[in-house]
Amino acid sequence: DTEVTQTPKHLVMGMTNKKSLKCEQHMGHRAMYWYKQKAKKPPELMFVYSYEKLSINESVPSRFSPECPNSSLLNLHLHALQPEDSALYLCASSPRPGLISGANVLTFGAGSRLTVL
Amino acid sequence: TQLLEQSPQFLSIQEGENLTVYCNSSSVFSSLQWYRQEPGEGPVLLVTVVTGGEVKKLKRLTFQFGDARKDSSLHITAAQPGDTGLYLCAGASGGSNYKLTFGKGTLLTVNP
Repeated sequence: DTEVTQTPKHLVMGMTNKKSLKCEQHMGHRAMYWYKQKAKKPPELMFVYSYEKLSINESVPSRFSPECPNSSLLNLHLHALQPEDSALYLCASSPRPGLISGANVLTFGAGSRLTVL
Repeated sequence: TQLLEQSPQFLSIQEGENLTVYCNSSSVFSSLQWYRQEPGEGPVLLVTVVTGGEVKKLKRLTFQFGDARKDSSLHITAAQPGDTGLYLCAGASGGSNYKLTFGKGTLLTVNP
């Protein structure tokens, strides 16, 4: 299995809703990432998990709450979002934390398209 | 803050034409990745270059890493409609181990 699987593919939610995005990989990767991507823009890093522990939070608002229940799963809990949070949310994983290099590259999922009404 | 300047931002060409996309920085990167992303999908890694002056070929795509490891180029020969997509360069450096610095991307459209 060489994939990162994200669900749901599409999500529409109101500003008062609570929802979650899910990411799964079975490649034995020990680093997992959440990125946010607006249309025709590059991905922006949100969070990094290293060995199931949060290692980087790029000053993301608390209405986004990440969780890493085990080495294969990564969740992003959403609460009280704003319309400007509508974007493609990408999950990625890499074999290990640390330097991104030829032997330690990111594999991205297909993303979850979030629309906040 | 490390920046990667990617150019051109938009490119629309006819099938069969050649093109080059550039990725430039004033910072040194330990490696540089090129990704291709289709609408509604995640980025797919095309290549990683790590050695200054390195050239890698992937069918009709040729990737080059500058000698000083500050810049890179992607050249596509005889472009096809299937090459259409957003091309992203991303650099990694020892100073920000977990982070990739992404360029703004080049949106390529190849018309039949």
